[in-house]
Amino acid sequence: DSGVTQTPKHLITATGQRVTLRCSPRSGDLSVYWYQQSLDQGLQFLIQYYNGEERAKGNILERFSAQQFPDLHSELNLSSLELGDSALYFCASSVDGDRGKSGEQYFGPGTRLTVT
Amino acid sequence: AQTVTQSQPEMSVQEAETVTLSCTYDTSESDYYLFWYKQPPSRQMILVIRQEAYKQQNATENRFSVNFQKAAKSFSLKISDSQLGDAAMYFCAYQVKSTGKLIFGQGTTLQVKP
Repeated sequence: DSGVTQTPKHLITATGQRVTLRCSPRSGDLSVYWYQQSLDQGLQFLIQYYNGEERAKGNILERFSAQQFPDLHSELNLSSLELGDSALYFCASSVDGDRGKSGEQYFGPGTRLTVT
Repeated sequence: AQTVTQSQPEMSVQEAETVTLSCTYDTSESDYYLFWYKQPPSRQMILVIRQEAYKQQNATENRFSVNFQKAAKSFSLKISDSQLGDAAMYFCAYQVKSTGKLIFGQGTTLQVKP
């Protein structure tokens, strides 16, 4: 158990819908990262938050957004869902993500999203 | 742009034997981190080992060790005394130090034969 929790474990929804994935980092970790794992794209970095602020962006679609709340949990919002959004979405956390102090990242169990 | 390449989609090893998984990367940075993550059938991503680019000494964690060749941009993982529980997909990852984001290779599926 990494100490990172993600809910829900599985999500099945229809095209065009909107979903919210939730992540709670390990106690004391300030940084949260979101990754997408799909068969065709592999593991891709989406976005990073550090202590409530967006720190880095990867290949995140405009239909996707995220935020980190004062209690440091994070949510990833996916809207206007398409079949191709079906994937495993991971959240990871680290103690710090401040520039020059990157730390080891610990992954949650992931949320399996299926868009039908 | 940084890239990570794992050229072996699949590997197999006999139980108790040693196996080496390959990884190469491309970067213009001089200070960065490299990781190996294990993903068993449960899909959980488990950190196996970490290497800091400015450290010449190769990292070791129990039966897992790396061969880090900075000039060649190579970072291989050696698993000694392989166990059935080592069967998994292994990902090599490069960490951009300025942001912390991980860039992953395509993964290598390791099969351990009893």
